[in-house]
This record gives sequence, C-alpha cells and structure tokens, in this order.
Amino acid sequence: KAGVTQTPRYLIKTRGQQVTLSCSPISGHRSVSWYQQTPGQGLQFLFEYFSETQRNKGNFPGRFSGRQFSNSRSEMNVSTLELGDSALYLCASSRVSDQETQYFGPGTRLLVL
Amino acid sequence: GQNIDQPTEMTATEGAIVQINCTYQTSGFNGLFWYQQHAGEAPTFLSYNVLDGLEETGRFSSFLSRSKGYSYLLLKELQMKDSASYLCAVRDRVGNTPLVFGKGTRLSVIA
Repeated sequence: KAGVTQTPRYLIKTRGQQVTLSCSPISGHRSVSWYQQTPGQGLQFLFEYFSETQRNKGNFPGRFSGRQFSNSRSEMNVSTLELGDSALYLCASSRVSDQETQYFGPGTRLLVL
Repeated sequence: GQNIDQPTEMTATEGAIVQINCTYQTSGFNGLFWYQQHAGEAPTFLSYNVLDGLEETGRFSSFLSRSKGYSYLLLKELQMKDSASYLCAVRDRVGNTPLVFGKGTRLSVIA
C-alpha cells in the first residue's frame, strides 16, 4: 500500500506571495492532519480534515487555510507569506475508526526569502 | 496549557542501551506516541501507550505512567542507524484529535 505523498517536496517563495501544498493520504484513510515543523518550535498542529470538513484547528493565523476533497486528498494554502513561515510542512493521515496512529508524508520544505 | 518535555540531545554508544524520557502536562490524556524521524525524512510511528506499563516491539520498548505524566522510550542494542530524532506526542482527548508533540530528542549513536 502506498504511503502518504506530498507535493511539491521543495519550494522557494518570496515574502508576500502565496503557496499551495498538496497531500494524498494512504488509500482508505479519511482523516488528514497538517503540521508545521521548525527547529525552534518542533511539530505544531495546523488543522485536521475529515470528510471534507475541518474538524480541528491549531493556533495559527487565518493566513493558513486548507481544504479536503471528496477523494480525501487535501491542500493547504498560506497567503501573504512571511519569513517565519519557512518550515517543513508535514501531512499525516489516519483511518476513520483507528484513532491511534497517524502516518506521515515526507513533507514539503518551504523557504521564504 | 499543554507541555511536553524531553531532552534536546543524547549520545550513546553502538551496542548499548539508551532511555529517552518524556514528561507531559496536558488537559487530558488519551494516549502517548513515540515517533522516529531521521534527518530530512518523515516521522515514522514507533509505539503507542494508553495504559500504564511497558510495550515492547523488537529492540524498542515504551513505558507509560499516567499518574506521573511520564513515559520513556528504551532502545536496546543500539545501531548506527538509530541516530535520529525521537518525538514524544500526546493525544489529549478522546476521538481522532490532533497530537501535541514535544520538540524531540536528537540521538547520536557513536562507535
């Protein structure tokens, strides 16, 4: 079974631009969570989608948004990029009934100049 | 608030045993996870504890004490490939809720 896939793997943007990242969960997984990972803060939860609905949300500004499609694929968008948004963005998927384990994708490394 | 503490860095010798501790203070508790993350790669699931006690999987074991808000990950017969960051994470309530992660412990295994 294929794992979680994320595209693109690397991205360079400049301040003020916007970016869209994509995540395809493991087949059969309907929950997709997004995390931001930085050396100083570690892994921080952004939001979680289930059945095309945002079910949980972390403490990030409104510039960070996301959505989920009917095939469970998810996208996150960051508008008006700031230097501090440079990070590894990780997506994780889990099954409907299995509340235990999240499986992570390889991440998208975003650099904002 | 939520707080998860683990040492920033540890060094251990190949073939030895190392214990990585994690303490947590969360508003609720519904499970503790350990993930391994090699540099530049995704975190991979290692273990899950929801009841007190020890869970063993091969060379890795994880222990939980809910009353003490404490867990440890025990790695035996260390190999060079075990050099990685080890992330402790807590689910703070029932349901498919987000994980709260510690900042990770970077383990270096030396010859």
